[in-house]
Amino acid sequence: QQQVKQSPQSLIVQKGGISIINCAYENTAFDYFPWYQQFPGKGPALLIAIRPDVSEKKEGRFTISFNKSAKQFSLHIMDSQPGDSATYFCAASFAGGYQKVTFGTGTKLQVIP
Amino acid sequence: NAGVTQTPKFQVLKTGQSMTLQCAQDMNHNSMYWYRQDPGMGLRLIYYSASEGTTDKGEVPNGYNVSRLNKREFSLRLESAAPSQTSVYFCASSAIPDRDGYTFGSGTRLTVV
Repeated sequence: QQQVKQSPQSLIVQKGGISIINCAYENTAFDYFPWYQQFPGKGPALLIAIRPDVSEKKEGRFTISFNKSAKQFSLHIMDSQPGDSATYFCAASFAGGYQKVTFGTGTKLQVIP
Repeated sequence: NAGVTQTPKFQVLKTGQSMTLQCAQDMNHNSMYWYRQDPGMGLRLIYYSASEGTTDKGEVPNGYNVSRLNKREFSLRLESAAPSQTSVYFCASSAIPDRDGYTFGSGTRLTVV
């Protein structure tokens, strides 16, 4: 039961370009949408997160766009750099307390010089 | 500032053997989680502990047991390992997941032959 669908599975972008990763969710009760970044051999690390009452959130070169009516959200990486090469996971959870997070299947991003 | 510490980092088991994966966090977080990561399937929740003294099943609990030994430690046990349990296992913890996200350990790569 895949509650968060992520695409593409892999992505190659040239240095300086824009990387775009898309996610769609099914459960309208989800209230928190984080993105995690994972480098090889490491655990995922929280990158940026958004709540559904906001349509966009920007932190440096990373932007989340959120479309509540379409139940979709996306991560944009502006001016992509080789150091951004990693696997990115979108995720969703319910609000409050210990709520467990449901992850997408991941996107492996490669930024080539 | 150790964060979340997992041991061991690598393990090879024979089918039918048992082992315990250890996880400890030093951030005074209430909730702790065990995920497995498999290619193309993202991160799937095995078990979680909302607080000391409580544990609950996640998405893929079959073949596993957990113990929340105290607030710091949350262990995952494989009683009779199977090749299908070959995976990378991540422990995570959080104070308030929908505010702070998760802090992950660096993972245990387990191979069952």
